[in-house]
Amino acid sequence: GENVEQHPSTLSVQEGDSAVIKCTYSDSASNYFPWYKQELGKRPQLIIDIRSNVGEKKDQRIAVTLNKTAKHFSLHITETQPEDSAVYFCAPEGGQNFVFGPGTRLSVLP
Amino acid sequence: DTGVSQNPRHKITKRGQNVTFRCDPISEHNRLYWYRQTLGQGPEFLTYFQNEAQLEKSRLLSDRFSAERPKGSFSTLEIQRTEQGDSAMYLCASSLGSRAGQPQHFGDGTRLSIL
Repeated sequence: GENVEQHPSTLSVQEGDSAVIKCTYSDSASNYFPWYKQELGKRPQLIIDIRSNVGEKKDQRIAVTLNKTAKHFSLHITETQPEDSAVYFCAPEGGQNFVFGPGTRLSVLP
Repeated sequence: DTGVSQNPRHKITKRGQNVTFRCDPISEHNRLYWYRQTLGQGPEFLTYFQNEAQLEKSRLLSDRFSAERPKGSFSTLEIQRTEQGDSAMYLCASSLGSRAGQPQHFGDGTRLSIL
């Protein structure tokens, strides 16, 4: 089955700094690469996704980069704000694999 | 609000009892997923439906767990003879389309506590 890892598991940054979270996966059939954000006590919500035919995608302060050869993709958040504090999950998908990573807890310090 | 709806929000029951949760997906979504999430962990896949057909079931899911989606709309997840280890948040999600690689929209979950 799919093996999904995230690094780091926790990340603290100063407000205004950038944050990068990396997701590595094992299934070479994966072709869809989303990131979900889960605030404390809330539901996971999609924040950005990318497909295997694209190398990078950006949406305002958030971007995702994909390296399909090396089987990893990364979430980049620039100009971090306190409301970015949450747990972020990657969930690479291919076929009938629906595996979420273990999560990265991001804390943005004022 | 036309998002994914789950009921009940909380369920407290004694060990050994049966429980049933309901999920109403976004109306035009034909894929529906069930996950389990424990504190500090990512959502763990349980099963999913394409319309009324259950296409995949996690090997982690014991035979005490069963899910249905009889008319391809709402779904129920039943746990029989509950155990302490079943305490968790049970999340439902839905997505549009019949092919893989679509964003999943989650409900607020049902928190199950086993006494």
